[in-house]
Amino acid sequence: DAGVIQSPRHEVTEMGQEVTLRCKPISGHNSLFWYRQTMMRGLELLIYFNNNVPIDDSGMPEDRFSAKMPNASFSTLKIQPSEPRDSAVYFCASSPFGPNSPLHFGNGTRLTVT
Amino acid sequence: QKEVEQNSGPLSVPEGAIASLNCTYSDRGSQSFFWYRQYSGKSPELIMFIYSNGDKEDGRFTAQLNKASQYVSLLIRDSQPSDSATYLCAVIGTGRRALTFGSGTRLQVQP
Repeated sequence: DAGVIQSPRHEVTEMGQEVTLRCKPISGHNSLFWYRQTMMRGLELLIYFNNNVPIDDSGMPEDRFSAKMPNASFSTLKIQPSEPRDSAVYFCASSPFGPNSPLHFGNGTRLTVT
Repeated sequence: QKEVEQNSGPLSVPEGAIASLNCTYSDRGSQSFFWYRQYSGKSPELIMFIYSNGDKEDGRFTAQLNKASQYVSLLIRDSQPSDSATYLCAVIGTGRRALTFGSGTRLQVQP
């Protein structure tokens, strides 16, 4: 079991640039979550997919953020254009049977926007 | 009012003592409750989950749920320095489809 795989581990970019974060969930898990963690706001849900379909995207901050899950083994979170306030650690997590089953988190992507 | 509230700490306990971590939630209809542990610079990992009122034990850990008072707690017996981490309480509220996390309590176990 390789766990949830996120890439890149670290991303440093300039304001206005496009950023794409990637996630490979655990095989067989039917739910995928994107969370963002900052010191000020803690761990916040951005979006939740079930069977590749977005179920809850109420946490997506604004139109600059978009997420896709084209198949069961891959998801992306895109920020365009990026802003300094987007600097955070972005976690992807998957679970076998929705949010009531344990979430398995990836190692996260630390994003710094200068 | 935050949906899930935790004291940020740090909570400092001596090695071998019982650490008691508390969490309150605002949505009375919440059904599922989780405790995650996060070491500095690492990702959260599940410790326990509890759905029903009362206590649930797993090794040195006990989760306690009181829906009437809207709080959930985590007890760590025989605390070890390796337990030093941030403990995150997470809840699924009414109409929500994913976990809402508290801001976490930092625990320090002194050798």
